[in-house]
Amino acid sequence: DTAVSQTPKYLVTQMGNDKSIKCEQNLGHDTMYWYKQDSKKFLKIMFSYNNKELIINETVPNRFSPKSPDKAHLNLHINSLELGDSAVYFCASSQAGTTIFFGSGTQLSVL
Amino acid sequence: SQELEQSPQSLIVQEGKNLTINCTSSKTLYGLYWYKQKYGEGLIFLMMLQKGGEEKSHEKITAKLDEKKQQSSLHITASQPSHAGIYLCGADWSGNTGKLIFGQGTTLQVKP
Repeated sequence: DTAVSQTPKYLVTQMGNDKSIKCEQNLGHDTMYWYKQDSKKFLKIMFSYNNKELIINETVPNRFSPKSPDKAHLNLHINSLELGDSAVYFCASSQAGTTIFFGSGTQLSVL
Repeated sequence: SQELEQSPQSLIVQEGKNLTINCTSSKTLYGLYWYKQKYGEGLIFLMMLQKGGEEKSHEKITAKLDEKKQQSSLHITASQPSHAGIYLCGADWSGNTGKLIFGQGTTLQVKP
């Protein structure tokens, strides 16, 4: 069983489109995250949610909207996609300051 | 500003050789994480260190955190092609928020 799973694995889309990436964790963790890895492999946090409540929002454009229907899911919706949004997006989860486990990533390519 | 420097940026070693990757923080760490990334496989958790002077090992990989909790090293003994990938250190400076600041990564190639 995959602990943190995200879909799709690859996403290719046109500029201006709206897309979503889904994430689910079966670890029973109370905190979930979205991280972004750019073309230079820099990995930066975007958001974190604790029990469906937004905790961290790292000055991410409003076009990015995370949604947590329950504590096992944290989806990322992106409006009006831009070329600069092309990156690998990682979902992650943890339980109260313990080890953070990452999903396998979603490679987003905006054409 | 908070900074995390990882070195070297890339490393090519012959199979069987030992190697070390370093991670230096500009301030005291609450915790230091090591991850490995292979293409298409996401980040694989290796080890987390929290106490000054702590050392952890798993198979042929050993990670250490210095007494001041500002520097960590990852040492691989008798490297194998399966060790190839990108190694990332992640700093937890705040504790409990889960916000990790990552180094720029070290790309390791192991030549058979």
